[in-house]
Amino acid sequence: NAGVTQTPKFQVLKTGQSMTLQCAQDMNHEYMSWYRQDPGMGLRLIHYSVGAGITDQGEVPNGYNVSRSTTEDFPLRLLSAAPSQTSVYFCASSYSPPLDENTGELFFGEGSRLTVL
Amino acid sequence: DQQVKQNSPSLSVQEGRISILNCDYTNSMFDYFLWYKKYPAEGPTFLISISSIKDKNEDGRFTVFLNKSAKHLSLHIVPSQPGDSAVYFCAASAPGMIQGAQKLVFGQGTRLTINP
Repeated sequence: NAGVTQTPKFQVLKTGQSMTLQCAQDMNHEYMSWYRQDPGMGLRLIHYSVGAGITDQGEVPNGYNVSRSTTEDFPLRLLSAAPSQTSVYFCASSYSPPLDENTGELFFGEGSRLTVL
Repeated sequence: DQQVKQNSPSLSVQEGRISILNCDYTNSMFDYFLWYKKYPAEGPTFLISISSIKDKNEDGRFTVFLNKSAKHLSLHIVPSQPGDSAVYFCAASAPGMIQGAQKLVFGQGTRLTINP
């Protein structure tokens, strides 16, 4: 039972470098999303997707790109990393957007800690 | 503009007592609320949820209360156990731009410590 798998777990980048955080889920979930966690800010939604080919912006989308070519994968791309993007990133998925109790549970990956120097 | 607020960064409770974690929200469009628990170096895990048509939902030692008029929800843990020590996030769901889609807005989190 892999659930939601994120890679890499740790990454150090220099300002201006690009990279992709990978996220894969094996639960056939339609809904996937990316959050970042910063001290005192909680979890903030970056981008989300309700199915292959469909994505939308969250609270803090600037500096990040996403695409959803398959149900299983939802990569997050940083095109030109900045120190402000130093954070812990979480990918999450669920069966459907939260519609009623017990169906909206998000399953999170273990997180990817990114440091931008 | 923080739409979901947890004003207590930390809370310390004695084992066996009740833990009460609070959460306030500002957006009246929120219609679904959840609590997540997070241990260090792990992803958050779902704990309990409640829809806006209810004012209480109970699951074992965990109960969530929703007061829509006050835009306030709380999580009660009774009795508190050492394994409950974690960061607790409340979250609210609002309709997204894509029809039928909803997205979660999280609070800042409250670190709960259960003392033996």
